[in-house]
Amino acid sequence: DAGVIQSPRHEVTEMGQEVTLRCKPISGHNSLFWYRQTMMRGLELLIYFNNNVPIDDSGMPEDRFSAKMPNASFSTLKIQPSEPRDSAVYFCASSLLAGRYNEQFFGPGTRLTVL
Amino acid sequence: LAKTTQPISMDSYEGQEVNITCSHNNIATNDYITWYQQFPSQGPRFIIQGYKTKVTNEVASLFIPADRKSSTLSLPRVSLSDTAVYYCLVVGTGRRALTFGSGTRLQVQP
Repeated sequence: DAGVIQSPRHEVTEMGQEVTLRCKPISGHNSLFWYRQTMMRGLELLIYFNNNVPIDDSGMPEDRFSAKMPNASFSTLKIQPSEPRDSAVYFCASSLLAGRYNEQFFGPGTRLTVL
Repeated sequence: LAKTTQPISMDSYEGQEVNITCSHNNIATNDYITWYQQFPSQGPRFIIQGYKTKVTNEVASLFIPADRKSSTLSLPRVSLSDTAVYYCLVVGTGRRALTFGSGTRLQVQP
């Protein structure tokens, strides 16, 4: 299995631009998680889905952030408009069983730089 | 939300056993304790999870006392490749019940 796939691996953009991060979870996994990691705030859970349905989005920082999971094999995290403080590494993770309790498999991350 | 507290860093030498303790004083009845490992430029990787007493797998052991207010990750005979950041988190129900703490940076020296 290829594991969790994220694209792009690196993204550099200018303030005000729209950014879309993509994630393909491990086939057959039923939960998907989006995290953000910075030196200042550590690893934060942004949102997670069970069976393609958003369950907890309380970690999404503000309305500029949105996440979708149109099917079991694809999810996007969109930032519009982007700001320099959004610069971080964004991780996607998936787990076989629905819910928070189960082992999560993380992707390699997308390093976002907003100038 | 059960907040966790871990040492910021630890040093060890190859071949030694390393014990990393995590405090989670307000852990709830339905919460589990989970540990992840993260190498630079990689996503975290699951190590072990437990609810009480002791859990052991091929890479680590997890000790949880009866009151469950702390837990200890034990890494037997560490090697240089175990140099990483180790996160303890308490996983439970409710909103925001999946929070990684600041982690413990383990440095293993030859």
